Parts: sequence; C-alpha cells; structure tokens
Amino acid sequence: DAKTTQPTSMDCAEGRAANLPCNHSTISGNEYVYWYRQIHSQGPQYIIHGLKNNETNEMASLIITEDRKSSTLILPHATLRDTAVYYCIVSGTYKYIFGTGTRLKVLA
Amino acid sequence: NAGVMQNPRHLVRRRGQEARLRCSPMKGHSHVYWYRQLPEEGLKFMVYLQKENIIDESGMPKERFSAEFPKEGPSILRIQQVVRGDSAAYFCASSRNRDRNTEAFFGQGTRLTVV
Repeated sequence: DAKTTQPTSMDCAEGRAANLPCNHSTISGNEYVYWYRQIHSQGPQYIIHGLKNNETNEMASLIITEDRKSSTLILPHATLRDTAVYYCIVSGTYKYIFGTGTRLKVLA
Repeated sequence: NAGVMQNPRHLVRRRGQEARLRCSPMKGHSHVYWYRQLPEEGLKFMVYLQKENIIDESGMPKERFSAEFPKEGPSILRIQQVVRGDSAAYFCASSRNRDRNTEAFFGQGTRLTVV
C-alpha cells in the first residue's frame, strides 16, 4: 500500500471549513483513498473514501486530484466535536496502514 | 443497527495472566480485523479473519497471541501470559466483504492494562 504524508496538526475556527490535505504520490491505479478519524482514544470512525472521482456524503467531501497523487478532506462547517486525529489511508487490500495523521483542533 | 461491539471496554491483568478480548461484528459482516494501538502511536494491523478461517495473521506476534472467529459467536483475540508491553488499545473492525471498495467499521476498543 502506498505511503501517505499529512501535516502533523492544524487549527480551524468553528463554523469554517476545515481542509485537510494528504499526499500519496506513489498511489497505484487500484488503490482507494480512505479517511478515518479518531476522537480522543475512541475507535476510528469511517468518514469517506474514493478512487478518482470527488465524493461527498453527510459528513465530508473528498477531493482527489486528477493525477491522484494528493487529496483533500473537507469538513464544510467544522464544530468543536470535529476535533480529532484524521487519518488518510491508501489501500488496495483489506489491510489499512495508519500513519500518525493530522491532529485537527477546532477553535471556538 | 448496532455497530461493532467489543468487550470488555477495559481489562486489567496481572503479568502472566491471560487476556481474552471479544468482538461482535456488525450485522451482515463476516470479515473481522484486529488492530493494536500502543500509547501515542498509530493503529497496527494484527490479523484478518473470516468465519472459521484466519486469512492473514502477518501482524500478530509469533508467540502468546492467537485469534479465532468461530462459526457461532464473537471473534476472540487471546493473549497468553501477558507482559507489560501488551498494554495497549485493541480495536476490532468488520466489513461486509474484502473488496477494496468496501469500508471497514471499527469498534470502541478494549483497553488492556497489564500490571
């Protein structure tokens, strides 16, 4: 599975959009981009995933560049409850390789 | 629609005892994965099971650790003769199939403390 690179931490004002970037320059054609988050020490929560098209669900939007070498997770209106560690995972199998993620802090 | 259920949520064991961690997958899911998260680290894959079969145990320590997913009942992660270094959060996930386009859902974990 391809390696991902994410910023260590980010801050976002409550009510604003949070844009979390992820680089995955070695992604291969059959690998999907998955996003999970972990609030405090709870179990990882699935957010969204995609292959090459942009995706949107009730939680977030996922924008994948045309060359698929990077992606951005967008939380359109961040709330304090979105404070968490966000993991970008590239996976072509059942196995997820978790990096250190981005620690997002939403500020009141 | 209950999510992935893990129990116990917290488990304290003395060195040398056995720890049994249970995981009931989401309804309709027959694929189970176990991950371990050491303090201040990311999750690490341990094992992947389907009903009555271990598919991939490449992340399992060679000794003292075993996992099963019987035809009936929850998946069990068993750690024999626990040591302090086994203290960690153990997460179970389940999925409907093993398609790379299928997301896995995680339980809330079991926090094992070895004293």
